Amino acid sequence: GAGVSQTPSNKVTEKGKYVELRCDPISGHTALYWYRQSLGQGPEFLIYFQGTGAADDSGLPNDRFFAVRPEGSVSTLKIQRTERGDSAVYLCASSTLGAGDQDTQYFGPGTRLTVL
Amino acid sequence: AQSVTQLGSHVSVSEGALVLLRCNYSSSVPPYLFWYVQYPNQGLQLLLKYTSAATLVKGINGFEAEFKKSETSFHLTKPSAHMSDAAEYFCAVSRSTGGGNKLTFGTGTQLKVEL
Repeated sequence: GAGVSQTPSNKVTEKGKYVELRCDPISGHTALYWYRQSLGQGPEFLIYFQGTGAADDSGLPNDRFFAVRPEGSVSTLKIQRTERGDSAVYLCASSTLGAGDQDTQYFGPGTRLTVL
Repeated sequence: AQSVTQLGSHVSVSEGALVLLRCNYSSSVPPYLFWYVQYPNQGLQLLLKYTSAATLVKGINGFEAEFKKSETSFHLTKPSAHMSDAAEYFCAVSRSTGGGNKLTFGTGTQLKVEL
């Protein structure tokens, strides 16, 4: 079946602009995660959704970052007033269950964001 | 706080040689541990995971990892490297949060396989 998809695959924007990154999880997966991977680093947790609600947004770096999942499926990560330091690959993952040892997270290919 | 440390940002082996990628964890509670592989321009793919059922965990593509509590380690091994194994490998530890599981990743190890 189809895996996690993310659009766009690449996004180049100018400092100060607003961007939206989209994640389409595997059908039926209730849990959705966003991570950010900076160059030479491992992915870092940003936010976790269980259904429509953000159950943990402790990884969002500041109030310029916001994410929604209005219908419990597709999620959008929104970044306002982008800064050069926001340049990274933004990864989305989904899983079937919220917790427990069966919770394997399946990752999308990521969106590479470049802020000029 | 839970964390993982990957020793060696770059590892180079000859084709057919043993692959050993090191990961040490820090956790105040029994951890869930994972190894993911990332090929260029692709998403992370799960290789294997430890969930306390067995200390020796077998994964895909001939990889395995052994959980050693006394050494707080979860090293990844493969008896014979193949050219297709060249990729970046990430160790991760999971922490429950709001009903989900938040992954904390190491900084990664780039594996190069030479002829």
